[in-house]
Amino acid sequence: DSGVTQTPKHLITATGQRVTLRCSPRSGDLSVYWYQQSLDQGLQFLIQYYNGEERAKGNILERFSAQQFPDLHSELNLSSLELGDSALYFCASSHRDRGEAFFGQGTRLTVV
Amino acid sequence: DAKTTQPPSMDCAEGRAANLPCNHSTISGNEYVYWYRQIHSQGPQYIIHGLKNNETNEMASLIITEDRKSSTLILPHATLRDTAVYYCIVRVTSNSNSGYALNFGKGTSLLVTP
Repeated sequence: DSGVTQTPKHLITATGQRVTLRCSPRSGDLSVYWYQQSLDQGLQFLIQYYNGEERAKGNILERFSAQQFPDLHSELNLSSLELGDSALYFCASSHRDRGEAFFGQGTRLTVV
Repeated sequence: DAKTTQPPSMDCAEGRAANLPCNHSTISGNEYVYWYRQIHSQGPQYIIHGLKNNETNEMASLIITEDRKSSTLILPHATLRDTAVYYCIVRVTSNSNSGYALNFGKGTSLLVTP
């Protein structure tokens, strides 16, 4: 158990819909990262938040957004969903910059 | 961050040492070598990292060549549960409190066989 909690574990939704994925980081970790893993793309970094502020952006689509709340949990919002958005979405957290990031078990999103 | 090259797949017999190579010939002096693994569809798991000295922990050993252009992750006694994709990542560790995103490549798919 990494200490990072992601909900829900599975999500099935229709094209055009909007979903919210939730992540609770390890206790004390201020940084939260979101990654997308699809079959043909591998693990892709989407976005990082640190103590409530956006810190780095990767290959995140404009239809996607995220935020980190005062209690440090984070949400990833995916809108106008397309079939190609079907993937595993992982959240990770880290304490300072020690290099070790701890990953949750992911949310499997299926868009039908 | 420096680019890494890993073989796409490797096999290892259970109980034997698994030696996973990684080439990072463009590594800079302030870049660390990190290893993570991902067991099928689970979240990636941190294994070990190092700068220039060899490192060992309860999971594995990391051997970095003197010129730092390559490294080897060693699982001393591989078990079936070590079957996973292993990622070698090179990145800067700064003094920033905010951390730094990891860039995962394709990794090496290790199959441990009975």
